[in-house]
Amino acid sequence: AQTIHQWPVAEIKAVGSPLSLGCTIKGKSSPNLYWYWQATGGTLQQLFYSITVGQVESVVQLNLSASRPKDDQFILSTEKLLLSHSGFYLCAWGDSQDTQYFGPGTRLLVL
Amino acid sequence: QQQVRQSSQSLTVWEGETAILNCSYENSAFDYFPWYQQFPGEGPALLIAIRSVSDKKEDGRFTIFFNKREKNLSLHIKDSQPGDSATYFCAASAGNKLTFGIGTRVLVRP
Repeated sequence: AQTIHQWPVAEIKAVGSPLSLGCTIKGKSSPNLYWYWQATGGTLQQLFYSITVGQVESVVQLNLSASRPKDDQFILSTEKLLLSHSGFYLCAWGDSQDTQYFGPGTRLLVL
Repeated sequence: QQQVRQSSQSLTVWEGETAILNCSYENSAFDYFPWYQQFPGEGPALLIAIRSVSDKKEDGRFTIFFNKREKNLSLHIKDSQPGDSATYFCAASAGNKLTFGIGTRVLVRP
């Protein structure tokens, strides 16, 4: 069975500080990987997707970047956080049938 | 421009009733429509999904009715239980991009 792990579970960070969020998928070879952002009480916005190691496509520009250093790992980062970055960050993996499965998420609060 | 619209932001039903959640879309290229269930503080979980070649998909108490001509679909939750209280997202996919609606918060009263 596939499992998806996100770290950290939650973060409180200062405006202007750097950020790195991680996601690991186990039990699935060469998955499509996605990052989403969700405002509190809001919808999900797709940020990035990756279909292979080293290749990442940006969907929206939010002063964030993503990388895929390994087949099972997806990293979301920024050098300078903004207040608007607060929210719930979700990693997902996709199968060949277009279905996406979400991880438990990382709650981020920027002060 | 909202490509996936959910007509109600909230819905309250009594235990045992059928909850009906409506969704519509604009992009004719969408061909896959999953519904996700999300509890507070958790990631969304896939509930049920349908492809545009079908008009109905059933899985236990959950049924999707799909109308391609009208570009709308609905999720029916039969015999609603208090444990079904959650936010339900309608989504639509064309390739690698999944577009979500704003979600419908469902409350099932015992």
